Amino acid sequence: KAGVTQTPRYLIKTRGQQVTLSCSPISGHRSVSWYQQTPGQGLQFLFEYFSETQRNKGNFPGRFSGRQFSNSRSEMNVSTLELGDSALYLCASSLAPFPEGIHGYTFGSGTRLTVV
Amino acid sequence: AQSVTQLDSQVPVFEEAPVELRCNYSSSVSVYLFWYVQYPNQGLQLLLKYLSGSTLVKGINGFEAEFNKSQTSFHLRKPSVHISDTAEYFCAVTTGAGNNRKLIWGLGTSLAVNP
Repeated sequence: KAGVTQTPRYLIKTRGQQVTLSCSPISGHRSVSWYQQTPGQGLQFLFEYFSETQRNKGNFPGRFSGRQFSNSRSEMNVSTLELGDSALYLCASSLAPFPEGIHGYTFGSGTRLTVV
Repeated sequence: AQSVTQLDSQVPVFEEAPVELRCNYSSSVSVYLFWYVQYPNQGLQLLLKYLSGSTLVKGINGFEAEFNKSQTSFHLRKPSVHISDTAEYFCAVTTGAGNNRKLIWGLGTSLAVNP
């Protein structure tokens, strides 16, 4: 079966712009979680969606937002980009929401965002 | 605060040598523990997990880990590494209970296998 698909793979944006990243989960998975990965901070949890509802949110400013569609695909948006937003953004899908779903997390390859 | 500490940020090792990647956590409640691997330019892949039962857990690619509750550790081991094991390894722990349960990640250990 197809894995978790994240698009685009690479993105370069200018400070102040906004960006939208996409994540298509494994077929049948209804939970999508988003993470920001940087060398200094490691993996930081952004938010989790299950059945189109945000179930949990990490400690990120309101510039970071997300949504999930009825087909379980998810998007995250970052507005007013800052240099510090440069990171690898990963999404993970699972059948069930956290914590039950953690047993079966499948990660995508990520979107590498560079803000210049 | 609950935390996960991967004691070594980088581990260089020669091919066919044994390796141990260390992970300690702080939590006063029951936990689930995970090791993930990230190859260059890829996402994270689950290596193994401890949920309950035997404290020695075997995973993919010949890796195993042992849960030590008294030492709050979950070290990852492989008796003989290959060049292809070069990657970033992450330890993760679920802590708390019920609605307060959280997934905490270590900062990663970069394993470099040299010929």
